[in-house]
Amino acid sequence: NAGVMQNPRHLVRRRGQEARLRCSPMKGHSHVYWYRQLPEEGLKFMVYLQKENIIDESGMPKERFSAEFPKEGPSILRIQQVVRGDSAAYFCASSPLQGGETQYFGPGTRLLVL
Amino acid sequence: GQQLNQSPQSMFIQEGEDVSMNCTSSSIFNTWLWYKQDPGEGPVLLIALYKAGELTSNGRLTAQFGTTRKDSFLNISASIPSDVGIYFCAGQGAAVNKLTFGGGTRVLVKP
Repeated sequence: NAGVMQNPRHLVRRRGQEARLRCSPMKGHSHVYWYRQLPEEGLKFMVYLQKENIIDESGMPKERFSAEFPKEGPSILRIQQVVRGDSAAYFCASSPLQGGETQYFGPGTRLLVL
Repeated sequence: GQQLNQSPQSMFIQEGEDVSMNCTSSSIFNTWLWYKQDPGEGPVLLIALYKAGELTSNGRLTAQFGTTRKDSFLNISASIPSDVGIYFCAGQGAAVNKLTFGGGTRVLVKP
């Protein structure tokens, strides 16, 4: 039973480019969460999605960041016009049901903006 | 927003020693979780606590959900080299879909 999968594991972008991070939840899980981790810090919640719905995006920056979880395929976190401050590790987690259920984390995508 | 203070920020261990760390919050949580993160990897769940006062063990790990619901403790007994890593507490409050993480406790081996 494969765990949460994220790709790419490492991504290098120049300032102004776009970054696309993908997350495939665990089999049978229909809830996806994205978190960001800056160096030497804990994870910070960004967004919670179900299939074709954004449920809670209270942790998402207002500009340049968007997320989707289509009916088919992985969840995508998209960062437009990246800046150096976007450099961080981005983790996806999934759970089978909403809330009260343990969130299982993927290995993360480490984004470096040059 | 809710904040978790985790301490100590880092600690050195010698094989065989017991390790303790804790998290405190300014507000109440309904669930406390403890994760371990190895370099280059995502957090892995160690223990989940769902009731105030609950004491739960997982092998050499023991965690407690504080009775005030504003704190939690993790103990590791008889540490071994593979216990090295970063340990995070996380709380789940009224907004059940989001976890609030502490800043982490870095467990290192004494040279």
